[in-house]
Amino acid sequence: QITLKESGPTLVKPTQTLTLTCTFSGFSLSTSGVGVGWLRQPPGKALEWLALIYWDDDKRYNASLKNRLTITKDTSKNQVVLTMTNVDPVDTATYYCVHRQANSMVRGVPNWYDPWGQGTLVIVST
Amino acid sequence: DIQMTQSPSSLSASVGDRVTITCRASQSISNFLNWYQQKPGKVPDLLIYAASSLQSGVPSRFSGSGSGTEFTLTISSLQPEDFATYYCQQSYNTPITFGQGTRLEIK
Repeated sequence: QITLKESGPTLVKPTQTLTLTCTFSGFSLSTSGVGVGWLRQPPGKALEWLALIYWDDDKRYNASLKNRLTITKDTSKNQVVLTMTNVDPVDTATYYCVHRQANSMVRGVPNWYDPWGQGTLVIVST
Repeated sequence: DIQMTQSPSSLSASVGDRVTITCRASQSISNFLNWYQQKPGKVPDLLIYAASSLQSGVPSRFSGSGSGTEFTLTISSLQPEDFATYYCQQSYNTPITFGQGTRLEIK
């Protein structure tokens, strides 16, 4: 059974750096084809994709966040960490980590997110 | 970026109704299209992947179709537990993008 759980601060001040950790079980990020991603959802709004890291350390980011994001993995700890610099109140959201799944180990095939972590609410405020 | 547009944005329907939600992509995404259901205060759940494959455990009243730029999610006979918000998502390339959501409400 695959599970993921997000952890990190609930309250962050503007301009600070936010660090979120996704701790997972039931799979290994050293296995070909595996990926872990981060998404967020501001209160009452739609889902926004942030970043994804693959088993081979290939990383993809949402460029709209203007290079504020860094995603890293620690395979030995079964963790993926997302850092977001210079946070702003508009970054207030529930942040989710997700397991990327596909029917093939290669890239370029249909893929989807399942399961999701429970989410962690981050509030950016003074 | 690939833009995903869902219609309608909201929908009122009754138990037993057949409901269809449409998702359009701004460019062809083949069958790289997934559907998620989100209930208030809950985590999104995968319903349909690769446009038409039913996720394990999801009731068969849910179905997906389409390819290229136009896709549909159909619920054949609405049940009380189906009232939620539905999102489409393209996984064709990054950034991965979602539709704005369709809120399905009880009439």
